[in-house]
Amino acid sequence: AQSVSQHNHHVILSEAASLELGCNYSYGGTVNLFWYVQYPGQHLQLLLKYFSGDPLVKGIKGFEAEFIKSKFSFNLRKPSVQWSDTAEYFCAVSPSGTYKYIFGTGTRLKVLA
Amino acid sequence: DAGVIQSPRHEVTEMGQEVTLRCKPISGHNSLFWYRQTMMRGLELLIYFNNNVPIDDSGMPEDRFSAKMPNASFSTLKIQPSEPRDSAVYFCASTSSGTDTQYFGPGTRLTVL
Repeated sequence: AQSVSQHNHHVILSEAASLELGCNYSYGGTVNLFWYVQYPGQHLQLLLKYFSGDPLVKGIKGFEAEFIKSKFSFNLRKPSVQWSDTAEYFCAVSPSGTYKYIFGTGTRLKVLA
Repeated sequence: DAGVIQSPRHEVTEMGQEVTLRCKPISGHNSLFWYRQTMMRGLELLIYFNNNVPIDDSGMPEDRFSAKMPNASFSTLKIQPSEPRDSAVYFCASTSSGTDTQYFGPGTRLTVL
């Protein structure tokens, strides 16, 4: 069955620290990949997405993610986090040509000021 | 663009009562999704509509749940009768064919006492 794993459930960092959140998926075919962010009490917002082309994708607010096909991974990175990055981050995978998103369980990031 | 609109934002009801959640997708989008988010199960797809037609309702938990999309600009998710285990945040999302990116509404936080 298709699945998405986010191994870090809770991450606590100090401001200016670097961030990397892991995302691995299980699906043998072509996929579209997404990272969404959910700030406290708010809805999910798209951070970045990968459909094809350059596997290093840049998104909003200084976030980027790298698609490594051989590892079935799409890790999210930010070189220097801010307090305002405190949120929950969701990785999602959608088999190309389908409507279905498969979400990971999310990673709660807390950034200490 | 107003984005996906959901109402109400919060709903508190007693067990056994009927609950109706509403969603207005982004104008021009022809696909609509209802999700449920809980701490235990994360984000689950309940039902997917394309061009107002339910395509996949395999995620609907049981017969107490029903969803309709009478036109391209409105959808409802109904729970009758409601139970405490239905307490969750319910999100609506929409997309248009060819974009493969879902845009989420602010969600309805449902509490069933």
